[in-house]
Amino acid sequence: SQTIHQWPATLVQPVGSPLSLECTVEGTSNPNLYWYRQAAGRGLQLLFYSVGIGQISSEVPQNLSASRPQDRQFILSSKKLLLSDSGFYLCAWNPGASGSYEQFFGPGTRLTVL
Amino acid sequence: SQQGEEDPQALSIQEGENATMNCSYKTSINNLQWYRQNSGRGLVHLILIRSNEREKHSGRLRVTLDTSKKSSSLLITASRAADTASYFCATEAGGFKTIFGAGTRLFVKA
Repeated sequence: SQTIHQWPATLVQPVGSPLSLECTVEGTSNPNLYWYRQAAGRGLQLLFYSVGIGQISSEVPQNLSASRPQDRQFILSSKKLLLSDSGFYLCAWNPGASGSYEQFFGPGTRLTVL
Repeated sequence: SQQGEEDPQALSIQEGENATMNCSYKTSINNLQWYRQNSGRGLVHLILIRSNEREKHSGRLRVTLDTSKKSSSLLITASRAADTASYFCATEAGGFKTIFGAGTRLFVKA
């Protein structure tokens, strides 16, 4: 069966510090991968998605970046965090095959920037 | 910009009552999905309805889709305290993107 992992679960970082959040998927190959951010009590904002190794699409211009160094690894990074980067970050995957729209979510990382 | 917008934003009902949540969207879609999120957790897929379907059932869930009005509704029958969560509609935005609405917070009182 497939599983998706995210770490860390929680993170408190000072403004201006770097960020690296990691997401890995097990039990599948060539998944589509997604990073979302969720502000408190709000919906999900799509940040990045990837349909293959090294292929990253950015949805929102900001100080975040994403990379996919391996087929089942998706990393969200920042060189200098802003207060507005605080939120709940969710990684998700879907099979990527035609007609497969359901997304499977990780447990999330709660980031607080002070 | 968000594709789906749910209403109400929040809903409080008694256990055993039915809960109805609505979603409106702006552009043509191939399908619409509903997800559930327990507080502080990831989202869980509930049901998908395709644009050529009008109604779909899964257990106590009933989803309708009206493409002429660009709207969908999620009905949870005989609600339970464990149904307390946020519910999101999501539309496939072309390519591999899925756009989520702001969600409805459902609170079911025991």
